[in-house]
Amino acid sequence: LAKTTQPISMDSYEGQEVNITCSHNNIATNDYITWYQQFPSQGPRFIIQGYKTKVTNEVASLFIPADRKSSTLSLPRVSLSDTAVYYCLVGSFNNAGNMLTFGGGTRLMVKP
Amino acid sequence: GAGVSQSPSNKVTEKGKDVELRCDPISGHTALYWYRQSLGQGLEFLIYFQGNSAPDKSGLPSDRFSAERTGGSVSTLTIQRTQQEDSAVYLCASSLAGATSISPLHFGNGTRLTVT
Repeated sequence: LAKTTQPISMDSYEGQEVNITCSHNNIATNDYITWYQQFPSQGPRFIIQGYKTKVTNEVASLFIPADRKSSTLSLPRVSLSDTAVYYCLVGSFNNAGNMLTFGGGTRLMVKP
Repeated sequence: GAGVSQSPSNKVTEKGKDVELRCDPISGHTALYWYRQSLGQGLEFLIYFQGNSAPDKSGLPSDRFSAERTGGSVSTLTIQRTQQEDSAVYLCASSLAGATSISPLHFGNGTRLTVT
């Protein structure tokens, strides 16, 4: 399983763009990269998933370089409600099992 | 549609007692996961089910922990002879099992277990 490394915490201000980078040096060929957001007293919520290059949805963008050893979650124009913990998850499906291990997450604090 | 439902939402038990936590996944989701999250910490993988089978139980912390899934739907996580270090939020997630990609995990809001 690819181990992930993220910054423990980040601070930002309302209206700014926030970029959170995750390192996954041992990513396997079949692995996908998925990001989740977690608010207090709730389970994590899916944000975005990608395999390579760039993926964009209504919430965020995900940038993955050609070597796929890292990925960057980009949140445009954050608001106070984006204060949460963000987890990077790397894994794949195979017939032998599907154990998905989360890293420690990045605690984002958005200030007014 | 309905999301992943976990019950109870909170459970306080005395040390040494057994507890049973329940997870109702999203209908049609074949994969089901249990995680544990201690206060202020990340998610610790416990066990994964594909249908009713659990290919890998190595994440279970000790033999006091067991889990089962019946009918490819509801799952229960049982902790026997609870200890204070078992206090945590137990999260359940379900997903469609894709052949070539990871389907997003849909999490419940967890069961907060407190062992006194």
